[in-house]
Amino acid sequence: KAGVTQTPRYLIKTRGQQVTLSCSPISGHRSVSWYQQTPGQGLQFLFEYFSETQRNKGNFPGRFSGRQFSNSRSEMNVSTLELGDSALYLCASSLEASGIGNEQFFGPGTRLTVL
Amino acid sequence: AQSVAQPEDQVNVAEGNPLTVKCTYSVSGNPYLFWYVQYPNRGLQFLLKYITGDNLVKGSYGFEAEFNKSQTSFHLKKPSALVSDSALYFCAVRDKGGSYIPTFGRGTSLIVHP
Repeated sequence: KAGVTQTPRYLIKTRGQQVTLSCSPISGHRSVSWYQQTPGQGLQFLFEYFSETQRNKGNFPGRFSGRQFSNSRSEMNVSTLELGDSALYLCASSLEASGIGNEQFFGPGTRLTVL
Repeated sequence: AQSVAQPEDQVNVAEGNPLTVKCTYSVSGNPYLFWYVQYPNRGLQFLLKYITGDNLVKGSYGFEAEFNKSQTSFHLKKPSALVSDSALYFCAVRDKGGSYIPTFGRGTSLIVHP
């Protein structure tokens, strides 16, 4: 079974631009979560989607948004990029919604650098 | 609010020796507890989880963890470390009866010396 895939793997943008990251979950998985990983803040939860609906949202500004499609693929968008948005963005999928205690399967991440 | 503490930024151990990576947690209800490992330039990989039942949980690559409710701990252990175990280890918690949002620890860098 193919793992979680994320595209692109690396991205360089300038301040003020916007960016869209893509995640394809493991086949059959219906929950997709997004995380931001930085050396200073560690791993922080952005949001979770299940059956095309956002179930949970972390403490991030409205510039961070996402969506999930009917095939469970997910995208996240960051508008008006700031230098502090430079991070590794991880996508994780699980079979069912997170509240059931399922483990998550992570993709390799998208390394975003904002100049 | 739930929280996770990994008190050691780095753990050093010699190959063949037992290893322990510590994790303590705080939730208002009962916890789901997880350990993940991250190798350089890779995403996190699931190692093991505690949901309910036996306090000793066995996972991938010979790792195990013991759930201790009274000490609110979930330490990761392995009887004999390998150099290839060197990586970043994350503990995570979810409150069964509360928010579905998982909280991750800051991570512990495990270095196994040959």
